[in-house]
Amino acid sequence: LAKTTQPISMDSYEGQEVNITCSHNNIATNDYITWYQQFPSQGPRFIIQGYKTKVTNEVASLFIPADRKSSTLSLPRVSLSDTAVYYCLVGDEGYSTLTFGKGTMLLVSP
Amino acid sequence: DVKVTQSSRYLVKRTGEKVFLECVQDMDHENMFWYRQDPGLGLRLIYFSYDVKMKEKGDIPEGYSVSREKKERFSLILESASTNQTSMYLCASGGNNQPQHFGDGTRLSIL
Repeated sequence: LAKTTQPISMDSYEGQEVNITCSHNNIATNDYITWYQQFPSQGPRFIIQGYKTKVTNEVASLFIPADRKSSTLSLPRVSLSDTAVYYCLVGDEGYSTLTFGKGTMLLVSP
Repeated sequence: DVKVTQSSRYLVKRTGEKVFLECVQDMDHENMFWYRQDPGLGLRLIYFSYDVKMKEKGDIPEGYSVSREKKERFSLILESASTNQTSMYLCASGGNNQPQHFGDGTRLSIL
């Protein structure tokens, strides 16, 4: 079972780039890496998913090194509305193993 | 847009009661999940289902059961509610090889 470790909290200012790293030393061959964002009183919302190398969409980038033992979510030019908890999820296609990290509380200040 | 609907946002029940939490998804997803979320512990998987009438235990199934009689509906059952089951419960659904989509949660208080 792939266990994940993330920083408990991070602070940033508006307009900065934020990088949140998740460690998953025991990631299995079939495991994907997925990141979610959660605001208070809401369910987590999908941000990005990847298997290896780099993935980019309209809101974030995901960097995965060759050994896949960690991954980094990159948020370009954050705004106050990016203040939320960010979760790293490692799981395989068949959903036989699913592990959420405990989340990183990102606080963006003016 | 995928919609995952949980029947109640807030629920208050008494110790020993049988509690049903309902979840419905509208995207014909094969897989559905129940999590609980507690401060400092993040999300923990209780049960999941990959097909109608099929279920698999997650990390913390004790004290819970589930039912999936129809593809779009996944129910979480607390057979005899206890105070340590006071929590936020989150339902999710997802297609094979697809990310999960979450409902907005049910905040359950057991008195």
